[in-house]
Amino acid sequence: DAKTTQPPSMDCAEGRAANLPCNHSTISGNEYVYWYRQIHSQGPQYIIHGLKNNETNEMASLIITEDRKSSTLILPHATLRDTAVYYCIVKWAAGNKLTFGGGTRVLVKP
Amino acid sequence: DVKVTQSSRYLVKRTGEKVFLECVQDMDHENMFWYRQDPGLGLRLIYFSYDVKMKEKGDIPEGYSVSREKKERFSLILESASTNQTSMYLCASSLSEGRSSQPQHFGDGTRLSIL
Repeated sequence: DAKTTQPPSMDCAEGRAANLPCNHSTISGNEYVYWYRQIHSQGPQYIIHGLKNNETNEMASLIITEDRKSSTLILPHATLRDTAVYYCIVKWAAGNKLTFGGGTRVLVKP
Repeated sequence: DVKVTQSSRYLVKRTGEKVFLECVQDMDHENMFWYRQDPGLGLRLIYFSYDVKMKEKGDIPEGYSVSREKKERFSLILESASTNQTSMYLCASSLSEGRSSQPQHFGDGTRLSIL
Protein backbone atom coordinates (compact mmCIF):
# COMPACT_ATOMS: atom_id res chain seq x y z
CA ASP A 1 0.00 0.00 0.00
CA ALA A 2 1.19 3.52 -0.81
CA LYS A 3 2.64 5.69 1.92
CA THR A 4 0.84 8.87 3.00
CA THR A 5 2.14 12.12 4.44
CA GLN A 6 0.05 14.37 6.68
CA PRO A 7 0.88 17.44 8.78
CA PRO A 8 1.30 16.41 12.41
CA SER A 9 -1.15 18.94 13.80
CA MET A 10 -3.49 21.81 12.96
CA ASP A 11 -5.92 24.08 14.75
CA CYS A 12 -9.34 25.07 13.52
CA ALA A 13 -11.92 27.58 14.73
CA GLU A 14 -15.30 26.25 15.74
CA GLY A 15 -17.88 26.77 13.00
CA ARG A 16 -15.28 27.18 10.27
CA ALA A 17 -14.34 24.65 7.62
CA ALA A 18 -11.37 22.42 8.40
CA ASN A 19 -9.25 21.38 5.41
CA LEU A 20 -6.96 18.44 6.10
CA PRO A 21 -4.35 17.68 3.42
CA CYS A 22 -2.78 14.33 2.58
CA ASN A 23 -0.03 13.49 0.10
CA HIS A 24 0.10 10.06 -1.49
CA SER A 25 2.37 10.54 -4.48
CA THR A 26 3.06 6.80 -4.97
CA ILE A 27 -0.59 5.79 -5.16
CA SER A 28 -1.39 3.20 -7.80
CA GLY A 29 -4.43 3.02 -10.04
CA ASN A 30 -6.41 0.52 -7.97
CA GLU A 31 -5.75 2.03 -4.56
CA TYR A 32 -8.46 3.91 -2.69
CA VAL A 33 -8.03 6.84 -0.30
CA TYR A 34 -9.70 6.32 3.09
CA TRP A 35 -10.11 8.72 5.96
CA TYR A 36 -10.63 7.73 9.57
CA ARG A 37 -10.52 9.67 12.79
CA GLN A 38 -9.84 8.62 16.36
CA ILE A 39 -11.05 10.49 19.37
CA HIS A 40 -9.02 9.88 22.49
CA SER A 41 -9.59 6.44 24.03
CA GLN A 42 -12.10 5.40 21.36
CA GLY A 43 -11.85 3.16 18.33
CA PRO A 44 -11.18 4.63 14.88
CA GLN A 45 -14.24 6.00 13.12
CA TYR A 46 -14.65 5.66 9.37
CA ILE A 47 -15.33 9.01 7.67
CA ILE A 48 -15.19 8.67 3.90
CA HIS A 49 -13.30 7.08 1.02
CA GLY A 50 -12.84 7.54 -2.71
CA LEU A 51 -10.97 6.37 -5.79
CA LYS A 52 -10.71 9.36 -8.12
CA ASN A 53 -13.95 11.29 -7.96
CA ASN A 54 -14.78 13.75 -5.22
CA GLU A 55 -17.05 12.30 -2.57
CA THR A 56 -19.41 13.79 0.00
CA ASN A 57 -21.38 12.30 2.85
CA GLU A 58 -23.04 13.60 5.99
CA MET A 59 -19.72 13.91 7.80
CA ALA A 60 -17.30 15.35 5.27
CA SER A 61 -16.17 15.89 1.69
CA LEU A 62 -13.17 14.30 0.03
CA ILE A 63 -11.40 16.13 -2.76
CA ILE A 64 -8.88 14.07 -4.78
CA THR A 65 -6.60 15.81 -7.25
CA GLU A 66 -6.78 14.79 -10.88
CA ASP A 67 -3.38 13.06 -10.73
CA ARG A 68 -4.51 11.38 -7.47
CA LYS A 69 -1.25 12.26 -5.75
CA SER A 70 -2.94 14.21 -3.00
CA SER A 71 -6.32 14.69 -1.36
CA THR A 72 -8.08 16.97 1.09
CA LEU A 73 -10.65 16.07 3.70
CA ILE A 74 -13.07 18.90 4.39
CA LEU A 75 -15.11 19.14 7.56
CA PRO A 76 -17.56 21.87 6.52
CA HIS A 77 -18.46 23.27 9.95
CA ALA A 78 -16.06 22.08 12.60
CA THR A 79 -17.39 21.54 16.13
CA LEU A 80 -15.54 20.88 19.36
CA ARG A 81 -16.48 17.21 19.01
CA ASP A 82 -14.39 17.03 15.82
CA THR A 83 -11.21 17.33 17.89
CA ALA A 84 -9.41 14.07 17.08
CA VAL A 85 -6.51 12.49 15.22
CA TYR A 86 -7.34 12.14 11.53
CA TYR A 87 -5.74 9.41 9.46
CA CYS A 88 -5.41 9.30 5.69
CA ILE A 89 -4.87 5.76 4.39
CA VAL A 90 -4.28 4.40 0.92
CA LYS A 91 -5.27 0.80 0.42
CA TRP A 92 -5.95 -1.68 -2.31
CA ALA A 93 -9.58 -2.64 -2.51
CA ALA A 94 -8.45 -6.24 -2.20
CA GLY A 95 -6.06 -5.54 0.68
CA ASN A 96 -6.88 -6.90 4.09
CA LYS A 97 -5.28 -4.66 6.66
CA LEU A 98 -5.39 -0.99 7.47
CA THR A 99 -2.12 0.74 8.24
CA PHE A 100 -2.35 3.98 10.16
CA GLY A 101 0.48 6.48 9.92
CA GLY A 102 1.01 9.37 12.32
CA GLY A 103 -2.14 11.22 11.29
CA THR A 104 -3.02 14.86 11.88
CA ARG A 105 -3.98 15.93 15.37
CA VAL A 106 -6.81 18.45 14.88
CA LEU A 107 -7.78 20.78 17.69
CA VAL A 108 -11.03 22.68 17.24
CA LYS A 109 -11.02 25.83 19.34
CA PRO A 110 -14.04 27.86 20.47
CA ASP B 1 -25.41 2.41 11.35
CA VAL B 2 -22.83 -0.31 11.68
CA LYS B 3 -22.40 -1.47 15.23
CA VAL B 4 -19.29 -3.33 16.37
CA THR B 5 -19.42 -4.16 20.04
CA GLN B 6 -16.48 -5.26 22.13
CA SER B 7 -17.31 -6.99 25.38
CA SER B 8 -15.16 -4.87 27.70
CA ARG B 9 -13.73 -1.36 27.57
CA TYR B 10 -11.16 -2.05 30.28
CA LEU B 11 -9.74 -5.35 31.46
CA VAL B 12 -7.03 -6.24 33.96
CA LYS B 13 -5.56 -9.74 33.98
CA ARG B 14 -2.55 -11.49 35.47
CA THR B 15 0.46 -12.98 33.72
CA GLY B 16 -0.20 -16.54 32.59
CA GLU B 17 -3.98 -16.23 32.51
CA LYS B 18 -5.98 -17.23 29.46
CA VAL B 19 -7.83 -14.14 28.26
CA PHE B 20 -10.84 -13.94 25.98
CA LEU B 21 -11.81 -10.79 24.10
CA GLU B 22 -15.17 -10.88 22.38
CA CYS B 23 -16.43 -8.89 19.43
CA VAL B 24 -19.90 -8.86 17.87
CA GLN B 25 -21.10 -7.03 14.76
CA ASP B 26 -24.71 -6.57 13.72
CA MET B 27 -24.36 -5.83 9.99
CA ASP B 28 -23.90 -9.32 8.55
CA HIS B 29 -20.31 -8.53 7.56
CA GLU B 30 -18.23 -11.34 6.14
CA ASN B 31 -14.85 -9.98 7.26
CA MET B 32 -13.72 -9.45 10.83
CA PHE B 33 -10.36 -8.26 12.15
CA TRP B 34 -8.41 -8.00 15.37
CA TYR B 35 -5.77 -5.26 15.74
CA ARG B 36 -3.71 -3.95 18.57
CA GLN B 37 -2.72 -0.31 18.87
CA ASP B 38 0.34 0.85 20.76
CA PRO B 39 1.87 4.35 21.02
CA GLY B 40 4.49 4.88 18.34
CA LEU B 41 3.68 1.56 16.63
CA GLY B 42 0.32 2.42 15.11
CA LEU B 43 -2.23 -0.25 14.28
CA ARG B 44 -1.00 -3.83 13.83
CA LEU B 45 -3.12 -6.68 12.48
CA ILE B 46 -3.20 -9.80 14.65
CA TYR B 47 -5.71 -12.05 12.85
CA PHE B 48 -8.57 -11.72 10.46
CA SER B 49 -11.41 -13.90 9.25
CA TYR B 50 -13.30 -13.74 5.99
CA ASP B 51 -15.89 -16.39 6.80
CA VAL B 52 -17.19 -18.59 9.58
CA LYS B 53 -14.52 -21.01 10.83
CA MET B 54 -11.94 -19.35 8.55
CA LYS B 55 -8.96 -17.43 9.89
CA GLU B 56 -5.79 -15.90 8.54
CA LYS B 57 -2.71 -14.71 10.40
CA GLY B 58 -1.91 -11.05 10.34
CA ASP B 59 1.42 -9.43 11.08
CA ILE B 60 1.74 -10.35 14.77
CA PRO B 61 -0.17 -13.58 15.52
CA GLU B 62 2.31 -15.02 18.04
CA GLY B 63 0.74 -15.56 21.44
CA TYR B 64 -2.80 -15.17 20.11
CA SER B 65 -5.49 -17.36 18.63
CA VAL B 66 -8.98 -16.63 17.32
CA SER B 67 -12.33 -18.29 16.98
CA ARG B 68 -15.20 -17.59 14.62
CA GLU B 69 -18.02 -20.06 15.15
CA LYS B 70 -20.77 -17.65 14.08
CA LYS B 71 -20.71 -14.96 11.42
CA GLU B 72 -21.40 -12.12 13.83
CA ARG B 73 -18.86 -13.06 16.50
CA PHE B 74 -15.05 -13.05 16.42
CA SER B 75 -13.10 -13.89 19.56
CA LEU B 76 -9.46 -13.16 20.32
CA ILE B 77 -7.72 -15.45 22.79
CA LEU B 78 -4.49 -14.77 24.62
CA GLU B 79 -3.34 -18.29 25.43
CA SER B 80 -1.04 -17.30 28.29
CA ALA B 81 -1.07 -13.58 28.88
CA SER B 82 2.22 -11.76 29.17
CA THR B 83 3.03 -8.16 30.13
CA ASN B 84 4.03 -7.30 26.56
CA GLN B 85 0.43 -7.96 25.52
CA THR B 86 -0.74 -4.93 27.49
CA SER B 87 -2.34 -2.83 24.77
CA MET B 88 -5.49 -1.40 23.21
CA TYR B 89 -7.25 -4.14 21.24
CA LEU B 90 -9.52 -3.15 18.40
CA CYS B 91 -12.03 -5.27 16.52
CA ALA B 92 -13.26 -4.29 13.07
CA SER B 93 -15.61 -5.69 10.47
CA SER B 94 -16.35 -5.10 6.80
CA LEU B 95 -18.31 -6.44 3.91
CA SER B 96 -16.46 -8.73 1.57
CA GLU B 97 -13.80 -6.96 -0.50
CA GLY B 98 -15.46 -8.49 -3.53
CA ARG B 99 -18.14 -5.86 -3.05
CA SER B 100 -16.04 -2.88 -4.13
CA SER B 101 -13.98 -1.08 -1.54
CA GLN B 102 -15.95 -1.57 1.63
CA PRO B 103 -14.45 0.21 4.65
CA GLN B 104 -13.69 -1.43 7.95
CA HIS B 105 -15.76 -0.33 10.93
CA PHE B 106 -14.29 -0.46 14.41
CA GLY B 107 -15.49 -1.10 17.92
CA ASP B 108 -14.54 1.19 20.80
CA GLY B 109 -11.64 -1.01 21.81
CA THR B 110 -10.61 -2.95 24.90
CA ARG B 111 -7.78 -1.51 26.95
CA LEU B 112 -6.11 -4.62 28.37
CA SER B 113 -3.57 -4.49 31.17
CA ILE B 114 -1.54 -7.57 32.07
CA LEU B 115 0.01 -7.40 35.53
